[in-house]
Amino acid sequence: QQPVQSPQAVILREGEDAVINCSSSKALYSVHWYRQKHGEAPIFLMILLKGGEQKGHDKISASFNEKKQQSSLYLTASQLSYSGTYFCGTDSQGGSEKLVFGKGTKLTVNP
Amino acid sequence: NAGVMQNPRHLVRRRGQEARLRCSPMKGHSHVYWYRQLPEEGLKFMVYLQKENIIDESGMPKERFSAEFPKEGPSILRIQQVVRGDSAAYFCASSQGSVSTNEKLFFGSGTQLSVL
Repeated sequence: QQPVQSPQAVILREGEDAVINCSSSKALYSVHWYRQKHGEAPIFLMILLKGGEQKGHDKISASFNEKKQQSSLYLTASQLSYSGTYFCGTDSQGGSEKLVFGKGTKLTVNP
Repeated sequence: NAGVMQNPRHLVRRRGQEARLRCSPMKGHSHVYWYRQLPEEGLKFMVYLQKENIIDESGMPKERFSAEFPKEGPSILRIQQVVRGDSAAYFCASSQGSVSTNEKLFFGSGTQLSVL
C-alpha cells in the first residue's frame, strides 16, 4: 500500500534539473507532495488530482498519470533551498481518507 | 495564527515508563493524523482521528499504543511500557477536512522520543 519513490537519493549542482517519481499499486484519488528539511516539519508543496493534471509551484511542478497510478515531481534550475527529503503521499480509492507516504527521496543541491 | 503545536519537543523515557505526546491542531481543524518516522525511513501512518472519534488506527500497534482526540483539548498519543524500539520522531498533522476533499496536511515540528 505504501507508494514507491525513486530514486532514493539525488545529488545536484545548483541550476541542474531533477525528477522524482512516485508509483502506487492501488488506484488513487490524489497525490500530495511534501518537502522536509532535516529536523523540521514536512511542508506542503502541492496536490495532484486524478485526471492527468499538472501543477506548478515556482520552478517545481508535478504531474499525475491516473491510469499508470504514478506521479512525478519536476525540479528545474534547482536552488540550494531545494535541498531536503521529498515525500509523496497517496490517498487510495477504497481507503479511509488518510495519506500514506513513500520512504522519501533525499535531494542535495550543492553550489 | 499558530500552526500545529506538538509538545514536548524531546522526551526521554526509561524502558517500562509511559510516554504521552500532545498535539494541538491548527485553529478550525478537526482532523488529526499521527505519523512515526525513523531515520532514513518515510512517515509511517499510525492513526487518523476526528473530534472524539478514531477513524483509522490500522497503523498503530494493538498493544501499548493508544490515541485520543477529545472534544476539548489536544490530541494525545500514549505509549505504555515503552521499549527501545519505540524510539523515533512522532509527527502530528492536522487538516480542516479529510484528504478525500483535497485538504492539505499541516505538520507539527514533531516529538523526538528516546527510550533509554
